[in-house]
Formats: sequence, C-alpha cells, structure tokens
Amino acid sequence: SQKIEQNSEALNIQEGKTATLTCNYTNYSPAYLQWYRQDPGRGPVFLLLIRENEKEKRKERLKVTFDTTLKQSLFHITASQPADSATYLCALDAGSARQLTFGSGTQLTVLP
Amino acid sequence: NAGVTQTPKFQVLKTGQSMTLQCAQDMNHNSMYWYRQDPGMGLRLIYYSASEGTTDKGEVPNGYNVSRLNKREFSLRLESAAPSQTSVYFCASRTTGRGNTEAFFGQGTRLTVV
Repeated sequence: SQKIEQNSEALNIQEGKTATLTCNYTNYSPAYLQWYRQDPGRGPVFLLLIRENEKEKRKERLKVTFDTTLKQSLFHITASQPADSATYLCALDAGSARQLTFGSGTQLTVLP
Repeated sequence: NAGVTQTPKFQVLKTGQSMTLQCAQDMNHNSMYWYRQDPGMGLRLIYYSASEGTTDKGEVPNGYNVSRLNKREFSLRLESAAPSQTSVYFCASRTTGRGNTEAFFGQGTRLTVV
C-alpha cells in the first residue's frame, strides 16, 4: 500500500541553525511533491512545489530537494527563526489522478 | 478575495444526528477536496472532486457523502454521526489538469460527536 513518512513527529533546533525535514514515500510515483506549513488552529499554507524532473527548488530561506530514485524529499530552512516554529507537511501529487496525499507532518520548534 | 470558506467553524453533534459541512471557493478552481485531521494522523483524504459533476473516494470515505453542487461549492454530509468522526475537517481547492498547482485550504471545522 502507499505510504508517506515524515522523519519525526517533533524536531527542536537552535535559532540560526538549519532545519532539515525528511519526507519518504513508498509504492507511489508522484509527478509533483509539495510542502505546506500549518500553524495551530489554522489550515495548511502552501510553501513550495517541486516537479519530478527537478532536483532542487529554492525560495528565500527555504530549499527543497526531490530524489525519485531514493523516493525522498528533503526540506531545509536556513538561518531558522522562532517564527518558523510550526508543523510542516509534505504532500504527494500524482498528477493525472488529481489526488493530493499528505504525510503526518513534523512539528518544528526553533528555540531562541 | 475570500479564498476557501468553510461553515460552520465549530459544531457539536449527538451520536446519530446528521449535518452538512459547507465549502465554497472563489478562485475558479476545478478540483476540490475534503480532509479530516486527527492528532498524529496528518491530513487524510475523505473525498475529492476533479471537476463539477464528478466525485471520487479518498482514503477514508466510509460514513460520509459529498455533493459538488457547482464549480464553487463542495459539501460534506454526515448522515449518522459517530464519535469516531470527531475531528477537524478541512476543505481545499486547486487547479489540476495542465500542470497541477498548490492547494488552498479553508480555516477548518472542528466537529465533536458526543
């Protein structure tokens, strides 16, 4: 069966360090992979999308990589700040099937 | 520009009662989704609609029905609520087809079934 795993439920890091979150998947061939941020009591908010033929995507302090051989995406936040504390969700997009399937998320806490 | 609007925001139901969660989007998106979110479970897809007039089951459809009333509106109905349906429900929409786009989410409906 299809499975999406995000490396850990919770991750604590010191302010200024780089946070690295992992999304692994099995029995799936996504055309796109997306990352979202969710704050308590709010709906997820889109951050970045990467296509299967792209290795890396950047947006300001965010960087996403996508390795379809390893079936893995890494999400990096450089120079992290306490305001980056939130739950981060990866989502697999099979393209033509129109479904968007989410992982369970990683709760990131950036300590001042 | 309201984006995705869900109503109600909070609801308490007794076991066996029925209710409909409403969702509307004003971004002309063709695809709409209903998810439920439980602690430690992430977002699980209940139903989705790739276009007006079509609906498909997701991962956890049992106990739910949906209606894609028109391009803007996608409702979720619980015919006979059960305590296991206590959850936070999110509606989302996006454009799919010639290149899929990001999803936009509503603020969620917190449902408690007692």
